[in-house]
Amino acid sequence: GNSVTQMEGPVTLSEEAFLTINCTYTATGYPSLFWYVQYPGEGLQLLLKATKADDKGSNKGFEATYRKETTSFHLEKGSVQVSDSAVYFCALSSFSGGYNKLIFGAGTRLAVHP
Amino acid sequence: DTGVSQNPRHKITKRGQNVTFRCDPISEHNRLYWYRQTLGQGPEFLTYFQNEAQLEKSRLLSDRFSAERPKGSFSTLEIQRTEQGDSAMYLCASSPRGGATGSGEQYFGPGTRLTVT
Repeated sequence: GNSVTQMEGPVTLSEEAFLTINCTYTATGYPSLFWYVQYPGEGLQLLLKATKADDKGSNKGFEATYRKETTSFHLEKGSVQVSDSAVYFCALSSFSGGYNKLIFGAGTRLAVHP
Repeated sequence: DTGVSQNPRHKITKRGQNVTFRCDPISEHNRLYWYRQTLGQGPEFLTYFQNEAQLEKSRLLSDRFSAERPKGSFSTLEIQRTEQGDSAMYLCASSPRGGATGSGEQYFGPGTRLTVT
């Protein structure tokens, strides 16, 4: 079945450091891939997406490239800020049964210190 | 549009009581989903509505759980005879009419955190 695996957290970085959060997936067909972010006490916000191989999603300085050959969608940011502290979820969406179903990874907590 | 809203944001209840949560999706979205998120985990799919029709239910949704979406607008999720294992964040999401060619993104509400004592 479809599944998503993320690197375990927490990831602790100093402000302005480079961020990578690894995500790999298993899926049949051609899923869309997403990164969602969850700030404390809040729901999930869509951060970025990619719908086909080699697409790069980007938003707020974050980037991720859909790599079909390695079944990966790693999240990167060149210079993190304290305000980026949150939990990040990688997800895939596959069309089945007439609708798109989201499957999430376990999440990776990021803590950025001044 | 203010996005997906959920009420209440927090609910504390005693074991054995019934609780009901409400979700108001983005107005033009005809698809609505419920997820459950336990501490340290990603959201897990519970059920899906297209308009007023409930088209899929996860095995996670025991017979104590029931969801409705009358008139294809807001939705309610009821848990009867709550158990401590029901303690979780219950998330609602909506998406516009899509299909195999759509990206499949969903828009989430802030969630209802349930604590069963």
